[in-house]
Amino acid sequence: DAGVIQSPRHEVTEMGQEVTLRCKPISGHNSLFWYRQTMMRGLELLIYFNNNVPIDDSGMPEDRFSAKMPNASFSTLKIQPSEPRDSAVYFCASSPPGTSGRREQFFGPGTRLTVL
Amino acid sequence: GEDVEQSLFLSVREGDSSVINCTYTDSSSTYLYWYKQEPGAGLQLLTYIFSNMDMKQDQRLTVLLNKKDKHLSLRIADTQTGDSAIYFCAVYSGYALNFGKGTSLLVTP
Repeated sequence: DAGVIQSPRHEVTEMGQEVTLRCKPISGHNSLFWYRQTMMRGLELLIYFNNNVPIDDSGMPEDRFSAKMPNASFSTLKIQPSEPRDSAVYFCASSPPGTSGRREQFFGPGTRLTVL
Repeated sequence: GEDVEQSLFLSVREGDSSVINCTYTDSSSTYLYWYKQEPGAGLQLLTYIFSNMDMKQDQRLTVLLNKKDKHLSLRIADTQTGDSAIYFCAVYSGYALNFGKGTSLLVTP
């Protein structure tokens, strides 16, 4: 299994530009999570999808952020317009079905975003 | 993040034992987890413990759970330079996996 795939691995953009981050979860997993990691705030959950439906987006910082999951194998996180304070590493994670059990989350390698 | 607390830094000498501590507030999690993040990489599950256990040993790793005090610890025996990384404690609260801010472990020769 290829694991969770994220693209791009690195993104450098200018303030005001639109940024789209992509994620392919592990096949068969039905939960998908977007996290943001910064030195100051650590790892923050941005949004959680279950069976392609957004369940909780309370962690999305503001309206400039949006996320979609059009099918079970693809999700995007979009920032429009981007700002320097959005610079961070963005992780996607997925987990398999089941409300009991280990519910381990599998993380992608992350996208390092730099907004100039 | 704020429901799970860890110290931020730990430095040990190669060959010594490392102990990373974590406290949490929500005790409903069936499993409690330790993740490891190496530089430039995502988080990988290192080990976990079932909430009904108080100890789990896995090769050089020992996890101790004190449910009364809501305290979780990770002990790494014979720490190696390759163990240098950030270690995250994680506990479920509902569907959300809450992570601590991570403990940066530095192993010096």
